[in-house]
Amino acid sequence: GAGVSQSPSNKVTEKGKDVELRCDPISGHTALYWYRQSLGQGLEFLIYFQGNSAPDKSGLPSDRFSAERTGGSVSTLTIQRTQQEDSAVYLCASSPTAGTGLYFGPGTRLTVT
Amino acid sequence: QKEVEQDPGPLSVPEGAIVSLNCTYSNSAFQYFMWYRQYSRKGPELLMYTYSSGNKEDGRFTAQVDKSSKYISLFIRDSQPSDSATYLCAMNGSGGSNYKLTFGKGTLLTVNP
Repeated sequence: GAGVSQSPSNKVTEKGKDVELRCDPISGHTALYWYRQSLGQGLEFLIYFQGNSAPDKSGLPSDRFSAERTGGSVSTLTIQRTQQEDSAVYLCASSPTAGTGLYFGPGTRLTVT
Repeated sequence: QKEVEQDPGPLSVPEGAIVSLNCTYSNSAFQYFMWYRQYSRKGPELLMYTYSSGNKEDGRFTAQVDKSSKYISLFIRDSQPSDSATYLCAMNGSGGSNYKLTFGKGTLLTVNP
């Protein structure tokens, strides 16, 4: 079946602009996650959704970052007033329930110039 | 001390070699252990998922967990050039925060024909 999909695959934006990243999880997966992968760094947890609720937003780096999930499916990660340090690959993952192995999408490569 | 330590490599082996990849961790609450494979410019792909101590085999891949030593391993037998990728270990505990995976930084493996 279809895996996790993300769009856009690449995004180049100017410093100070807002960006929206989209994630379509595997159908039926109730848990959805956003991670960030920076050059030379491991995967950094950003936020976790169970259904449409986000019980843990503790990984969001600042209040410029927000995320929502609607219909228990699609999620968007929004970064306002982007900064150069936001440049990274943003990975979305889903799982049937929390705590099981995560299935990742291909990621969105964000470059802030 | 980081929660999860993983030798970044790079590791270069000839085709057909047995590859050993390892991670150590410090959090004794970790109970679920995963290995992901990540090809260049792709999202991580779940390879192995194990619970607590012991071995798990899947084709050419064997995952080992030694909770007493806080040490996990992934063995690849008869390695192939298509195994060339970055391998990430990941782990989490049970209970309320079981959704949050902690990743190693990854080991870059090259299998030479």
